[in-house]
Amino acid sequence: GQQLNQSPQSMFIQEGEDVSMNCTSSSIFNTWLWYKQDPGEGPVLLIALYKAGELTSNGRLTAQFGITRKDSFLNISASIPSDVGIYFCAGQNKPRGSTLGRLYFGRGTQLTVWP
Amino acid sequence: NAGVMQNPRHLVRRRGQEARLRCSPMKGHSHVYWYRQLPEEGLKFMVYLQKENIIDESGMPKERFSAEFPKEGPSILRIQQVVRGDSAAYFCASSPPDRNEQFFGPGTRLTVL
Repeated sequence: GQQLNQSPQSMFIQEGEDVSMNCTSSSIFNTWLWYKQDPGEGPVLLIALYKAGELTSNGRLTAQFGITRKDSFLNISASIPSDVGIYFCAGQNKPRGSTLGRLYFGRGTQLTVWP
Repeated sequence: NAGVMQNPRHLVRRRGQEARLRCSPMKGHSHVYWYRQLPEEGLKFMVYLQKENIIDESGMPKERFSAEFPKEGPSILRIQQVVRGDSAAYFCASSPPDRNEQFFGPGTRLTVL
């Protein structure tokens, strides 16, 4: 199956710092999604990317769909304590508009924010 | 607009019993996906269904596991004769028919004693 490598595995930062994490795949994806999961809850969709090179923001979050279509990046600016959680990248390799399908997930980045 | 709903949130079964997990998709969503998550790991795809059809079950074990999404009512993931290795969090997601943005429910945490 598809392999998604997400890094770093964990991050410990101080409130106010910027955060950057990334995800690479062994093959091309046509859709990249970023999720955040809190303990005991389901993943919450943060950003969806559909086009190579696309840069999309959602508040303090910015994500990019890599030009090679094999990677994606998520940046969080001016972190706050409620940013704590596990961030997952997910990719899908069916063209937009065709039959929808499964997502492949990275193993997650555990973010800890110190006040 | 209510989100994806799953029940029960927690389920305890003894080895050999059956587990039934339910998922109601978001209103207007006709595509349902089931994923399994082990501690400190990402989600692993199990099965993708539309109403009355299984589209992709390549991630679901061939024995003891089955899934359905009937014309009326929730999607059901059924695990027969559970074993300790089935202990995990099971998440359901749904998506609208024209976008692959999958929205997840809160999950069912299955514990097999």
